[in-house]
Amino acid sequence: DIQMTQSPSSLSASVGDRITITCRASQSVRTYLNWYQQKPRKAPQLLIYAASNLQSGVPSRFSGSGSGTDFTLTISSLQPEDFATYYCQQSSSTPYTFGQGTKLEI
Amino acid sequence: QVQLVNSGPEVRKPGASVKVSCKTSGYTFTRYGITWVRQAPGQGPEWMGWISGYNANTKYAEKFQGRVSMTTDTSTSTAYMELTSLRSDDTAIYYCARDYYTSGTYHFDYWGQGTLVTVSS
Repeated sequence: DIQMTQSPSSLSASVGDRITITCRASQSVRTYLNWYQQKPRKAPQLLIYAASNLQSGVPSRFSGSGSGTDFTLTISSLQPEDFATYYCQQSSSTPYTFGQGTKLEI
Repeated sequence: QVQLVNSGPEVRKPGASVKVSCKTSGYTFTRYGITWVRQAPGQGPEWMGWISGYNANTKYAEKFQGRVSMTTDTSTSTAYMELTSLRSDDTAIYYCARDYYTSGTYHFDYWGQGTLVTVSS
């Protein structure tokens, strides 16, 4: 199975900050990397698919980049509703695996 | 609008089985697959497997092989996931999600609200 490792595990930031979350795969996943946001007691929501494609309806302050084994999710200017947990997920080969999550806190 | 609605919470004893449903609406069921993902308390999501809405082909994670069965009912646009021989570490929220294929791969663009399955003696 492909292991996905996110860093940091938690991150404290303020409204208006620019933050970056990284995700590393144990082997190449090409650009088959997705990012999800999860708020407490809610299902995950897709933010970015295929490494850099913004899902419809997601604000443009979210962006993704990377290929192979190293990926980043950037939020350009944090808004209050962005404080949540973020997961990367590879869809290169089954079983599709998720990172352990990055909790973004105020 | 696309909606996926999971069935209500379940409580089972160790060794029992549970069957969770996922009723879909707002899109053509047979044009997409359904993925099942679970999330144990305080943990990240875990992919369990996939079923085609077109022909009911399945792909299960090896971890669940022999214990999981995914089915569909195209007449009601509903997917089902049954897990047998339940253990306490199967306690989790079970989500269904729609598989969307683009850019050469899949991602999960719509999710159900989840079903809490509690396994306890």
